[in-house]
Amino acid sequence: AQKVTQAQTEISVVEKEDVTLDCVYETRDTTYYLFWYKQPPSGELVFLIRRNSFDEQNEISGRYSWNFQKSTSSFNFTITASQVVDSAVYFCALKSNFGNEKLTFGTGTRLTIIP
Amino acid sequence: EPEVTQTPSHQVTQMGQEVILRCVPISNHLYFYWYRQILGQKVEFLVSFYNNEISEKSEIFDDQFSVERPDGSNFTLKIRSTKLEDSAMYFCASSGDRDQPQHFGDGTRLSIL
Repeated sequence: AQKVTQAQTEISVVEKEDVTLDCVYETRDTTYYLFWYKQPPSGELVFLIRRNSFDEQNEISGRYSWNFQKSTSSFNFTITASQVVDSAVYFCALKSNFGNEKLTFGTGTRLTIIP
Repeated sequence: EPEVTQTPSHQVTQMGQEVILRCVPISNHLYFYWYRQILGQKVEFLVSFYNNEISEKSEIFDDQFSVERPDGSNFTLKIRSTKLEDSAMYFCASSGDRDQPQHFGDGTRLSIL
């Protein structure tokens, strides 16, 4: 069975601070994909990143960076110099690479950036 | 940028009635999905659809639910005999292939009274 755990239910930081959202996953599959999605107050789900389990390189996209560590089954997401527009619920998700098509989501972390 | 569109944005229905939620996936995508999110909870997979048939479904997707691709552009979720606990946000998603990212629509908020 697959499982994604986002232990931080809510985080609040002051604008311009850096913040890291944790994601820990469980899977028996040897290959899989990991994702992060953003859900702003308007409710839509916005795709942020996909990471293949073969690729453990960290990735940076502007103020966003992702740290994938297979040894600890973690895929953490860091926002540097946070902005009010970053306020949202962030979901980590997992998908098997074999046959299985569904995304298994974590429970999400509600991030509030205080101006 | 192409996007998944869902209609209506909000549907209010009496318990026991049938509802049809509509989605137009991204035009060159081949895989289609429905997920739901009960208020304040995580997003849960319902069903995936490929080549005009269901390819995977969750335990939630029982006989009360059905999906259909009635034409070349629409993808629908039908819920029969709605129950109070069906109240949720329903998201449609599509992807170009099985391993590509799934792109989500803005969701339909279903309220059962």
